[in-house]
Amino acid sequence: LAKTTQPISMDSYEGQEVNITCSHNNIATNDYITWYQQFPSQGPRFIIQGYKTKVTNEVASLFIPADRKSSTLSLPRVSLSDTAVYYCLVAGRGGNKLVFGAGTILRVKS
Amino acid sequence: GAVVSQHPSRVICKSGTSVKIECRSLDFQATTMFWYRQFPKQSLMLMATSNEGSKATYEQGVEKDKFLINHASLTLSTLTVTSAHPEDSSFYICSAPPQGGPEKLFFGSGTQLSVL
Repeated sequence: LAKTTQPISMDSYEGQEVNITCSHNNIATNDYITWYQQFPSQGPRFIIQGYKTKVTNEVASLFIPADRKSSTLSLPRVSLSDTAVYYCLVAGRGGNKLVFGAGTILRVKS
Repeated sequence: GAVVSQHPSRVICKSGTSVKIECRSLDFQATTMFWYRQFPKQSLMLMATSNEGSKATYEQGVEKDKFLINHASLTLSTLTVTSAHPEDSSFYICSAPPQGGPEKLFFGSGTQLSVL
């Protein structure tokens, strides 16, 4: 299982763009990169998933360089409600168990 | 999107009693489900993998006789914390991957267990 490394915490202000980078140096060829968001006392919620280059959905963008050894989750114009813990995970297909790293605590201030 | 339902959301019990937590996949079948435990201000820790029709696979250090897992159907997995003690108090979360795609989990809303 590829190990991931993220910053422990980040602070931002409302309306700013937030970029959280995750390192996964030993990512395997068939691994995908997935980001989850977790609020206190709730289960994690899927945000976005990608394999290479750039993926964008209605809530975030995911940038993956050619070597795939890192990825960056981009949250445009954050609000107070984006304060949460963000986890980056890498795993392949087929029922592989997902092991969570420490995650990044994002605090959005007004 | 896929929905995973977990029940109950909160339970308080006396030391020595057993508590059952249910995890259901509402709109897809799950041959595999995962159970996590999370202590305050910590990350999720994988406890075990629940396999439909066969025995669960436990992570190192997790007592299989204490945390009984049953995956009786393609939509239901249960975790029973037997003879619960205060140190078992934690947030328990189940998850399931919809089949047919890259590993992407959908999580239940979690169960906060408090053992008095």
